[in-house]
Amino acid sequence: ETAVFQTPNYHVTQVGNEVSFNCKQTLGHDTMYWYKQDSKKLLKIMFSYNNKQLIVNETVPRRFSPQSSDKAHLNLRIKSVEPEDSAVYLCASSVGGGNYAEQFFGPGTRLTVL
Amino acid sequence: QQQVRQSPQSLTVWEGETAILNCSYEDSTFDYFPWYWQFPRESPALLIAIRPVSNKKEDGRFTIFFNKREKKLSLHITDSQPGDSATYFCAASASYNQGKLIFGQGTKLSIKP
Repeated sequence: ETAVFQTPNYHVTQVGNEVSFNCKQTLGHDTMYWYKQDSKKLLKIMFSYNNKQLIVNETVPRRFSPQSSDKAHLNLRIKSVEPEDSAVYLCASSVGGGNYAEQFFGPGTRLTVL
Repeated sequence: QQQVRQSPQSLTVWEGETAILNCSYEDSTFDYFPWYWQFPRESPALLIAIRPVSNKKEDGRFTIFFNKREKKLSLHITDSQPGDSATYFCAASASYNQGKLIFGQGTKLSIKP
């Protein structure tokens, strides 16, 4: 099956803990993205990678750090989570690192910070 | 400024009517405007997209009307079906910006049978 896969589906943790989310795409794309969707459904890009190179790095707290081992994998680590980090984290991928490309989204990881 | 605004926040129309969703933007360098839809408990997916080389893009019951001068666009859904009920996001990007999509806050559309 060709798609964007994310693990875990859900994660509940306490303030101050570290969490890691994984994303893998089998679509053969070379660009991957992390988005945050909050409780009001607002979708905001956080990072994007093209062939393992960071190309978009929005203004997000330093506790967020992405990592890409190859063009099919993108991870997100959050050190010392805060309550405002509770959201759905969506991974997406596309062909090419430029404009006009359709982005395919994974199912998301729902993070709840207690 | 890189902002995309949508209105209304929510919209309810009867089955068979035309739903009109509005979007406006500020950055004149934006040159790609996709609309994504998101069904409950699912992820966003591309519905239809337009580039400013044209002022209209049609795909079945879905049509984007684009007004470059006023920096506005709208999505028209004709013969609305209950299965069209979803949240619709207008997004924009500029060719120099590495595919970075700026999303509007979404319009929640409900179709009453």
